[in-house]
Amino acid sequence: TQLLEQSPQFLSIQEGENLTVYCNSSSVFSSLQWYRQEPGEGPVLLVTVVTGGEVKKLKRLTFQFGDARKDSSLHITAAQPGDTGLYLCAPKSGTYKYIFGTGTRLKVLA
Amino acid sequence: GAGVSQSPSNKVTEKGKDVELRCDPISGHTALYWYRQSLGQGLEFLIYFQGNSAPDKSGLPSDRFSAERTGGSVSTLTIQRTQQEDSAVYLCASSLILQVDTGELFFGEGSRLTVL
Repeated sequence: TQLLEQSPQFLSIQEGENLTVYCNSSSVFSSLQWYRQEPGEGPVLLVTVVTGGEVKKLKRLTFQFGDARKDSSLHITAAQPGDTGLYLCAPKSGTYKYIFGTGTRLKVLA
Repeated sequence: GAGVSQSPSNKVTEKGKDVELRCDPISGHTALYWYRQSLGQGLEFLIYFQGNSAPDKSGLPSDRFSAERTGGSVSTLTIQRTQQEDSAVYLCASSLILQVDTGELFFGEGSRLTVL
């Protein structure tokens, strides 16, 4: 069983602050995705990273895949209330299975 | 349809009853997944379909759980003799690209199951 850890589990910050959430594993993955889930909805894809060391930016969100492809981070600059949600990392295990972490529940206060 | 559709959106049942949850994937998507999300938790993989076949059923928690897919489209997840620990949101996702690492999962809004 592959162990996937996300940290922190919960994060409550003020609007305008910066934050970083982490996704760590002892396994090597071919790719990793980040999803955001809002209450009552299914997760929605934010980004896919494939190459070790890869950095992708999506507006105020910066995603990084670790050099060894075992970990990833998501950094949000100047957080907004609209960023509130559950952030899930989902590395790809094998050819088709996506393993989801327990997520980081973010709340951005106005 | 435009997105993945799941029904019912909410289901309350009594312990011991059987339930069926339905998923209509995006048209043309050959891959279909079922996940379970317990309160405050991440997503637990249940089963994966490629077309109508299920090469990976490893996530099904017990033999009370079964799933089928017909016509390469609609899938039904059946839970027999429900138990209270089966209470969760059951999420279905479909995907077009299977072998490429950048394939995106498109999720439905889920079916919330409550077993009393």
